[in-house]
Amino acid sequence: SQTIHQWPATLVQPVGSPLSLECTVEGTSNPNLYWYRQAAGRGLQLLFYSVGIGQISSEVPQNLSASRPQDRQFILSSKKLLLSDSGFYLCAWSPGLAGKEQFFGPGTRLTVL
Amino acid sequence: AQSVAQPEDQVNVAEGNPLTVKCTYSVSGNPYLFWYVQYPNRGLQFLLKYITGDNLVKGSYGFEAEFNKSQTSFHLKKPSALVSDSALYFCAVSPVGAGSYQLTFGKGTKLSVIP
Repeated sequence: SQTIHQWPATLVQPVGSPLSLECTVEGTSNPNLYWYRQAAGRGLQLLFYSVGIGQISSEVPQNLSASRPQDRQFILSSKKLLLSDSGFYLCAWSPGLAGKEQFFGPGTRLTVL
Repeated sequence: AQSVAQPEDQVNVAEGNPLTVKCTYSVSGNPYLFWYVQYPNRGLQFLLKYITGDNLVKGSYGFEAEFNKSQTSFHLKKPSALVSDSALYFCAVSPVGAGSYQLTFGKGTKLSVIP
């Protein structure tokens, strides 16, 4: 069966510090991968998605970037965090086929102080 | 571009009563529709989806949803609510077509089941 991991689970960082969040998927190959941000326990904002190694699409221009160095690894980064980067970050994967549901990781709670 | 509306921020229902969480959508062409549930500080869990065929879709934990094309709705229902159903519920839509793997989510509805 497939599993998705995210770490760390929680993170407190000062403004201006760098960020690296990691997501890995097991039990599948060639997945589509997604990064979402959820603010205040409500709606999800799609940040990035990837259909293959090195292929990243950005949905919202911002202070963040994403990379996919391996087939089942997806990394969210920032060079300098802003207060507004605080939130709950969710990674998800789906099979590379239309109409398929996405499966979410446990999330990372990021607080920028 | 597609969109999803969940008109109720919060729904309160007594334990044992039927529950409905509303969702309407806008998409070019036919939709794929999904419902997810989220418990506090956890990721989203997939409940059910509509792809094609029968308008009534059954999913996990006794939930079901009815696709209504004329009303562009996909309401989530359960005949008898449990306290453990209290959570945040998200509706999502994706247009049918090549490369349609991105989901657009509603803002979520908080369901509270009162003992």
